[in-house]
Amino acid sequence: GEDVEQSLFLSVREGDSSVINCTYTDSSSTYLYWYKQEPGAGLQLLTYIFSNMDMKQDQRLTVLLNKKDKHLSLRIADTQTGDSAIYFCAESKNSGNTPLVFGKGTRLSVIA
Amino acid sequence: DVKVTQSSRYLVKRTGEKVFLECVQDMDHENMFWYRQDPGLGLRLIYFSYDVKMKEKGDIPEGYSVSREKKERFSLILESASTNQTSMYLCASRWGHQETQYFGPGTRLLVL
Repeated sequence: GEDVEQSLFLSVREGDSSVINCTYTDSSSTYLYWYKQEPGAGLQLLTYIFSNMDMKQDQRLTVLLNKKDKHLSLRIADTQTGDSAIYFCAESKNSGNTPLVFGKGTRLSVIA
Repeated sequence: DVKVTQSSRYLVKRTGEKVFLECVQDMDHENMFWYRQDPGLGLRLIYFSYDVKMKEKGDIPEGYSVSREKKERFSLILESASTNQTSMYLCASRWGHQETQYFGPGTRLLVL
C-alpha cells in the first residue's frame, strides 16, 4: 500500500480554518514535511516537524503529529484565496540517502 | 536561500527526439532528484543521485537516463521521447538524508 496517504480534495470558505490530514507508515521517520504547490510552479517547503514533537505553530499554520497513530495534520487558520494550492505531506526515511516519500497531494480550493 | 533552477519552464518535442532536461543547484547539495508529476498520481521518483557520477533508479526509470558529471548539475535524458512522457518534471536537491528537499520550478514537457 501507499507509504503516505492523504485525501485528494478539500474545499473551504474564505476565513474558515482548513485541516489537511496525512497518514504515514514508517514509525522510524524522523522528519515530516508539508509542501505547497501553486499552479504551474514547483513545490515550496511550508513547514516541517521533528518526530519528537507533538505540535508546531508558525503564524497561521499549525502542524499536529500523533506518532502513535502515525497521523499528521496541517491546519491553516483564516484561510485565504491565496492558500488555494496542492499540499503535499512527506516523510523522511531514517536510512541513508533515500529520498523523501510524498503523498499524492491534497488540492485545497478556497471559496470566496 | 537555496536555489534550484531548471533549464526550461516549457518544452515541446516530437516523438523520437532526444530530450535533455537540466537542473542546477547552488548550495553544494550532495543529493539530487528527478520526479515527474501527473494528475492523480502525485510525484513519482524517476532517478536520484547522492554523489557525482552516482545514480540510483527510482520508481519509474524506464525510458529515462541521467547524468551527474558535476555536483551542482543533474541532467535527465529522454533517449527517444514518447507521448506518454508528456508531464511536469520536477528537480530537487538536498544535503544529507534528513534535510529538506528543495525543488526547482518544474519543466512542463509536451511530446507530440
